[in-house]
Amino acid sequence: QSALTQPRSVSGSPGQSVTISCTGTSSDVGGYNYVSWYQQHPGKAPKFMIYDVSKRPSGVPDRFSGSKSGNTASLTISGLQADDEADYYCCSYAGRSTFGVFGTGTKVTVL
Amino acid sequence: QVQLVESGGGVVQPGRSLRLSCAASGFTFRNYGMHWVRQAPGKGLEWVAVIWYDGSNKYYADSVKGRFTISRDNSKNTLSLQMNSLRGEDTAVYYCARSLQEWYFDYWGQGTLVTVSS
Repeated sequence: QSALTQPRSVSGSPGQSVTISCTGTSSDVGGYNYVSWYQQHPGKAPKFMIYDVSKRPSGVPDRFSGSKSGNTASLTISGLQADDEADYYCCSYAGRSTFGVFGTGTKVTVL
Repeated sequence: QVQLVESGGGVVQPGRSLRLSCAASGFTFRNYGMHWVRQAPGKGLEWVAVIWYDGSNKYYADSVKGRFTISRDNSKNTLSLQMNSLRGEDTAVYYCARSLQEWYFDYWGQGTLVTVSS
């Protein structure tokens, strides 16, 4: 199972919005609504940010939103803040006993 | 609060074995499936294995199938990963993570580093 494809980096100024894409296939992203997103600051463990494509766990700001169209999922961060600077990974269930196919990761830089 | 603490990492020679542990607290461990996820230095995340809440089902990534074994002791709130026939490409930080709906990872430990090198 190949990793999902994400842009290497995206950037934006404070207050702006950025969107991270996550492209898979009909066997993973396109085949299931089981897409999640994780934020990882340097040297830290990942943090659970989005699940079921667009749902936010308790405590995650509504500045973070998720969506999906076909084989591509997206994470949008609105009202960008300095603390949003981190790596972001998408993840999809891929069936056939493959419980998590992660994306290649995207570094978000706040200018 | 949910706490997951991994231990057991270290430097090991290729072909040797290592056992990782994850101590869970702050939630009813026996009610949740658990995962291991790893991250090679400077690389992305890779799902490794999952075990059902009662240990009845276990699934592995193709890259570790036949070499790694996931297990749990619900009486001790502990998750384990037995790693045999280790290879250089197994070098990574290994995280244990609590399972939400089987395919999500809602809480993570701080990770333990495994280095496979001669």
